[in-house]
Amino acid sequence: GESVGLHLPTLSVQEGDNSIINCAYSNSASDYFIWYKQESGKGPQFIIDIRSNMDKRQGQRVTVLLNKTVKHLSLQIAATQPGDSAVYFCAEVDNNTGKLIFGQGTTLQVKP
Amino acid sequence: EADIYQTPRYLVIGTGKKITLECSQTMGHDKMYWYQQDPGMELHLIHYSYGVNSTEKGDLSSESTVSRIRTEHFPLTLESARPSHTSQYLCASSEPGRRNTEAFFGQGTRLTVV
Repeated sequence: GESVGLHLPTLSVQEGDNSIINCAYSNSASDYFIWYKQESGKGPQFIIDIRSNMDKRQGQRVTVLLNKTVKHLSLQIAATQPGDSAVYFCAEVDNNTGKLIFGQGTTLQVKP
Repeated sequence: EADIYQTPRYLVIGTGKKITLECSQTMGHDKMYWYQQDPGMELHLIHYSYGVNSTEKGDLSSESTVSRIRTEHFPLTLESARPSHTSQYLCASSEPGRRNTEAFFGQGTRLTVV
């Protein structure tokens, strides 16, 4: 079946540095993508989304980039803070079924 | 904060018992989902619903069943719990009338079957 995946299981960055978390997807029919943040013991929380008619979207300290040619999206976090430490998931909405499909997470560790 | 609630938060139960995990949302969302997640791993979709009286199986085979009699309520039932069912179960919902919209998650139920 279709799947969404992340390149690295763990990313360790220094506090204040920028973080880039990558994700590859395989369903070319997907037209909506979401990044979620999951802290220990909690459910995933929405960070930012992007539709397939866009290639970049910015939020507060976060930017999502979408490259439909190579089916890749990334999450950039500026000036990473200790509170950003969590597991990050990308997800896609299946255009045909409306199912929300998650990839494997990347654990972001922020070193003080 | 999303208004979606799961109970119980933690459950330890013996093998063979029947259990129901509750999920309720007060946002009037049509779409609801159940995911199973092992620690640090990805979320696997096990059930979803487009609205009242609609239920579909997800991508991961599950021995659980769901029902959707009311918009706000989407309970998940295991008729006979086994140790292999030990996991975290996450419920989510998303807005009606919009095709592409993020899902809001509950806090999850961590189930341990002994």
